[in-house]
Amino acid sequence: GAGVSQSPRYKVAKRGQDVALRCDPISGHVSLFWYQQALGQGPEFLTYFQNEAQLDKSGLPSDRFFAERPEGSVSTLKIQRTQQEDSAVYLCASSLTGRATYNEQFFGPGTRLTVL
Amino acid sequence: AQSVTQLGSHVSVSEGALVLLRCNYSSSVPPYLFWYVQYPNQGLQLLLKYTSAATLVKGINGFEAEFKKSETSFHLTKPSAHMSDAAEYFCAVIPYTGTASKLTFGTGTRLQVTL
Repeated sequence: GAGVSQSPRYKVAKRGQDVALRCDPISGHVSLFWYQQALGQGPEFLTYFQNEAQLDKSGLPSDRFFAERPEGSVSTLKIQRTQQEDSAVYLCASSLTGRATYNEQFFGPGTRLTVL
Repeated sequence: AQSVTQLGSHVSVSEGALVLLRCNYSSSVPPYLFWYVQYPNQGLQLLLKYTSAATLVKGINGFEAEFKKSETSFHLTKPSAHMSDAAEYFCAVIPYTGTASKLTFGTGTRLQVTL
């Protein structure tokens, strides 16, 4: 595709529900990142994949958060038993190679999650 | 840990006036530095990046930033603001580790441009 796409764009969940957020990176991009952006804040790192390998998950806030990228392309961020504090915009980014320091991270439009 | 501080959560300028958005980093070793722009309901777009080459970096839409090691700063400027520049701007850093890594963002500065 032309850019990083994310679906759904908006998600409303009742507290306690499970949600799944999808990211389609730019075709051929090796690296994939997930960030969480709370209202009025800058994005915060959640997790990073190089191909199908999850190399860094230090930013995941709790064991309710789980991410996967089984075939090294599409990624899914799953949040179990959602809480109100999970309300945020979830951003996905991809970059061409594993050396993301030298390659631009291209961001998707984000999924706005609201937990009631 | 690496971090960046953006002074001023809101900046308002008149159309045609100089834009100056401030960013300071905390690191003993200069990291890679980035400025991103975010328009409402859109993802982040890279404006420019510093990767230890030239200290004056030119980006898209007429923006530029100067890396000053002595001041640990990477301020973003534009000589003449345009209405279309109204957006949220984020400074970000990646440690100079030579390996793939995550971006650490500042809290953002909302730029308002008035007539």
